[in-house]
Amino acid sequence: IAGITQAPTSQILAAGRRMTLRCTQDMRHNAMYWYRQDLGLGLRLIHYSNTAGTTGKGEVPDGYSVSRANTDDFPLTLASAVPSQTSVYFCASSRGGDDNEQFFGPGTRLTVL
Amino acid sequence: GQNIDQPTEMTATEGAIVQINCTYQTSGFNGLFWYQQHAGEAPTFLSYNVLDGLEEKGRFSSFLSRSKGYSYLLLKELQMKDSASYLCAVIDSNYQLIWGAGTKLIIKP
Repeated sequence: IAGITQAPTSQILAAGRRMTLRCTQDMRHNAMYWYRQDLGLGLRLIHYSNTAGTTGKGEVPDGYSVSRANTDDFPLTLASAVPSQTSVYFCASSRGGDDNEQFFGPGTRLTVL
Repeated sequence: GQNIDQPTEMTATEGAIVQINCTYQTSGFNGLFWYQQHAGEAPTFLSYNVLDGLEEKGRFSSFLSRSKGYSYLLLKELQMKDSASYLCAVIDSNYQLIWGAGTKLIIKP
């Protein structure tokens, strides 16, 4: 692994199903983030984690949950997917503290039908 | 509320110069980033400004005026590969990154 990876690359999901998007980084970054990106709206923060064991809510957290059991992994779960969650999801990481440069994963394109 | 404004779309000619503006109103300021995002790809880091003035990096330069809540990204000697979206993002008082919606730059031959 080099940098930050996400899985799956894309997914089509039936409404009401549960889905976990995976994110792993090997840069030993303290902070990790989940964004969704919709046309014309830019990046919107869903949840973040400043360090392993802690998480926080971003701008659009409803319908999503996260966990940060260790430094490397930051999965995002949709408990019961709805069509409005159709989007491109990006995971990002940064060293944290006053070093806020964020490095992005390649993204997951999710379609909820 | 917090707000970052950028033009939605700009068009420029190959070989020319283009300036993409960004104005912001945020709760505090701890720095400003510019990222580039090609269609279907992830954003990648271009520049970081925390003090007033111009930061130059090859064909790309970024300017910041904290008193005016204003930044711009200057791209010189435009190439077709510069066709992308350019995202402005501000670090607020809570050290959270607030993102603009991005400016889609179209380069014409």
